[in-house]
Amino acid sequence: DAKTTQPPSMDCAEGRAANLPCNHSTISGNEYVYWYRQIHSQGPQYIIHGLKNNETNEMASLIITEDRKSSTLILPHATLRDTAVYYCIVRVVSGGSNYKLTFGKGTLLTVNP
Amino acid sequence: ETGVTQTPRHLVMGMTNKKSLKCEQHLGHNAMYWYKQSAKKPLELMFVYNFKEQTENNSVPSRFSPECPNSSHLFLHLHTLQPEDSALYLCASSQGELLRNEQFFGPGTRLTVL
Repeated sequence: DAKTTQPPSMDCAEGRAANLPCNHSTISGNEYVYWYRQIHSQGPQYIIHGLKNNETNEMASLIITEDRKSSTLILPHATLRDTAVYYCIVRVVSGGSNYKLTFGKGTLLTVNP
Repeated sequence: ETGVTQTPRHLVMGMTNKKSLKCEQHLGHNAMYWYKQSAKKPLELMFVYNFKEQTENNSVPSRFSPECPNSSHLFLHLHTLQPEDSALYLCASSQGELLRNEQFFGPGTRLTVL
C-alpha cells in the first residue's frame, strides 16, 4: 500500500470548517483513499473513502486532486466532539477480498471552543 | 455502538498468567481482525480471519494465539506476556464482498502486563 504523509497536529475553531490534508504521491491507479478517525480511548471509526471523484457523506467531504497525489478531508462545521486523530490510508480494494488497513500516525485535530 | 463488542475492557495480568480477550460482532461480517495500539505508536495489524480462516499473521510472537470458532467470534489467547505487550488491543470486522469494505472497530481492551 502507498505511504501517506499527514501533519502531526492541527487546530480548528468550533463551528468552522476543518481541512485535513494528506499526501500520497506514490498512490497507484487501483488504490483508494480512506479516512478513519480515533477519538481518545475509542476504536477507530470509518469516515469516508474515494478513488478519484470528490465524495461527500453525512460526516465529511473528501477532495482528491486530479493527479491523485493528495487529498483533503473536510469537516464542514467542526464540533468539540470532532477532536480526534484522523488517519488517511490508501489501499487496494477488490471485490471478494479483505485487505488490511495500514495506519500511520495520523493528524491530531483539536477543535477549540 | 459499532456492533463490535470486546471483553474485558481492562485487564491486568502478570507475566506468568494465561488470559483471553474476546471479541464478538453482531453485523454479519465475514472478516475479523486483531490490532495492537501501543502508546505513541500507530495501530499495528496482528491477525486477519476471513470466513474463520486465518489469512494474515503479521509476524506476531507465539505468546499471542488467536482463535476464530465462527465468523462472529474472535479470541486472542495470551500466555507469558512481557511488560512491553501492554497496549490497547482492538478488534474489528468487515464485510469483504462490499467495495466499501469499511472496518468496524470495537472499543478495545486495555491490557497491562506487570
